[in-house]
Amino acid sequence: AQRVTQPEKLLSVFKGAPVELKCNYSYSGSPELFWYVQYSRQRLQLLLRHISRESIKGFTADLNKGETSFHLKKPFAQEEDSAMYYCALRGAGSYQLTFGKGTKLSVIP
Amino acid sequence: NAGVTQTPKFRVLKTGQSMTLLCAQDMNHEYMYWYRQDPGMGLRLIHYSVGEGTTAKGEVPDGYNVSRLKKQNFLLGLESAAPSQTSVYFCASSYPPNEQFFGPGTRLTVL
Repeated sequence: AQRVTQPEKLLSVFKGAPVELKCNYSYSGSPELFWYVQYSRQRLQLLLRHISRESIKGFTADLNKGETSFHLKKPFAQEEDSAMYYCALRGAGSYQLTFGKGTKLSVIP
Repeated sequence: NAGVTQTPKFRVLKTGQSMTLLCAQDMNHEYMYWYRQDPGMGLRLIHYSVGEGTTAKGEVPDGYNVSRLKKQNFLLGLESAAPSQTSVYFCASSYPPNEQFFGPGTRLTVL
């Protein structure tokens, strides 16, 4: 069975401080990993996917297969980064995404 | 190009009542999904469809039914609503099965 764990329900950081949102997964194979973001009262939108290896809004994430992690990082947090962040996994040949429970990021001015 | 739309945005039901949530997408996506979002639980897949006329169960299908009669529409039905079904419901679509595009959500309260 596949599982995604986001150990922090809430993460508070000061503006300008580095941010790291943790995501660990359990899957016996090569998964695809995603980060979705949900700003207040808005729909979920894709932030990053590991296969594209691009930086969006200053965020990056690296898939570490040895540690089965896909942590989301940003060197300098901005107030507009305050949102709910979900890590998601798609198994090989699957249509379904398995989401973590989410981490609420609060950036303090 | 509206993307994924959901109707209604809000609804309050009494226990035992029935209702249908409508999801529509104009991106010609093959795959469509229904999720529920609950505090501390993240998003959980209820049902999904990989094409017109097909549906399949997700992680939490009990108490829900779905239909995909047209490619652009995916309906979620509650035959006899229960307070445990109070949630925010999100529809999503994708083609191919990579990035999922989400609708704005429907906030349902069952009293």
